[in-house]
Amino acid sequence: GQQLNQSPQSMFIQEGEDVSMNCTSSSIFNTWLWYKQDPGEGPVLLIALYKAGELTSNGRLTAQFGITRKDSFLNISASIPSDVGIYFCAGQGVSGNTPLVFGKGTRLSVIA
Amino acid sequence: NAGVTQTPKFQVLKTGQSMTLQCAQDMNHEYMSWYRQDPGMGLRLIHYSVGAGITDQGEVPNGYNVSRSTTEDFPLRLLSAAPSQTSVYFCATQRQGAGEKLFFGSGTQLSVL
Repeated sequence: GQQLNQSPQSMFIQEGEDVSMNCTSSSIFNTWLWYKQDPGEGPVLLIALYKAGELTSNGRLTAQFGITRKDSFLNISASIPSDVGIYFCAGQGVSGNTPLVFGKGTRLSVIA
Repeated sequence: NAGVTQTPKFQVLKTGQSMTLQCAQDMNHEYMSWYRQDPGMGLRLIHYSVGAGITDQGEVPNGYNVSRSTTEDFPLRLLSAAPSQTSVYFCATQRQGAGEKLFFGSGTQLSVL
């Protein structure tokens, strides 16, 4: 089945630093989604991408849909303590009825 | 408008016991699904449903049963719990169709002793 490789697995950064994480796939996706999970909660959608090359921002977060349709990245600028959590990428294949495929997550820790 | 509601929040079972994790949604979403989350494994799909009366297996379906008698509810049943099923379980829903966003419940933490 389809698999997503998400990296890095974990990051420890200083408050104020910028963060970058990415996902790659062996197959083409039509949709890329980025989620954040706070401790003890379910994942919450941050950004949705629908077109190759699309660059979308949500506050300090910016995500891009790779032009090959096989990758996506998420950047967080000027990190703050509440950015701590697990970030997941997810992709949906060319058929709209296939379930989302999730990466294994990037655990972000922010040191104040 | 509660969104996706999961119950219970926490559960401890003994090996061999059965139980049902409940998931209810009030968003009239056709698609509902169950994931389990384990350290280092990310979110793995157990079962999903594209509408009432229709269910299908995901990546890790063994040991779990589901049914979808209504649009609103999608219970997950463990018929004979095993320690390997200790995990955090998430229910998620979305509108059917390409590019629709998935909405998650707050999770059920299950421990099987």
